[in-house]
Amino acid sequence: AAGVIQSPRHLIKEKRETATLKCYPIPRHDTVYWYQQGPGQDPQFLISFYEKMQSDKGSIPDRFSAQQFSDYHSELNMSSLELGDSALYFCASSFLAGDTQYFGPGTRLTVL
Amino acid sequence: GQQLNQSPQSMFIQEGEDVSMNCTSSSIFNTWLWYKQDPGEGPVLLIALYKAGELTSNGRLTAQFGITRKDSFLNISASIPSDVGIYFCAGHRPGNQGGKLIFGQGTELSVKP
Repeated sequence: AAGVIQSPRHLIKEKRETATLKCYPIPRHDTVYWYQQGPGQDPQFLISFYEKMQSDKGSIPDRFSAQQFSDYHSELNMSSLELGDSALYFCASSFLAGDTQYFGPGTRLTVL
Repeated sequence: GQQLNQSPQSMFIQEGEDVSMNCTSSSIFNTWLWYKQDPGEGPVLLIALYKAGELTSNGRLTAQFGITRKDSFLNISASIPSDVGIYFCAGHRPGNQGGKLIFGQGTELSVKP
C-alpha cells in the first residue's frame, strides 16, 4: 500500500539559511500534519491542514510557515534556521481530520 | 506541557517474555493510538482504539482503551528480537478539531536473544 512520502530524507543547512520540506500524503487523504521530534523526545505537533486550509496550530515558530496545495501535498518552509531547529520532521496524513494518522519516514534536518 | 504519562521509560527483557506498557492522563481522550518507531524512522501504527473499553489485538500485540478514557495499555506477548524499538502512545483530546496528536514520552524496548 502507498505510504506518506517525504523529501528530502536528509538535509544539512547553515545557520540563518532557509529550508523547504515536502510531504506527499497517502492517496485520497485530505489532511496532513507536521511534527518535530528532537533527539530522545516524542513528536511535537507543529501544524495541520485539512482541504488546503490550516486546521490547527501547535508550537510552530513564526520563522516557519506551511501550506497545503491543490493536490494535497504540503510544504514546510523554515527560514532563519537556528541550531535548535536540528531535528527529525515528520509528516502524517489521514482521511479526514481526527482520523488515524499515518506517518512518513521523516526528514532529518541538521543545522550547522 | 506533557499530558500523557507513559511507563515504563525503558525495558530490558529476554526473548520470549511478555511485555506490558501503559499510558495515563488526567484528561480524557477520544482515541488512543500505539506506534512503534525504529531509530531515524517514522512512527508505524500498531493499533488504533476508538471506544472506551475497546480491546483490540494485532498478532502478538493487544491494546485496550481504558473505561475511564484516561488510560490505555499495550501488551506484547512472546517477544522477539525485532520487537526492539521505541513504543509511543498517542491520543486525540475532545474538542480537537484539527486532529493534533498528543504523544507519550515513549517506552524503549530492548530484547535479549
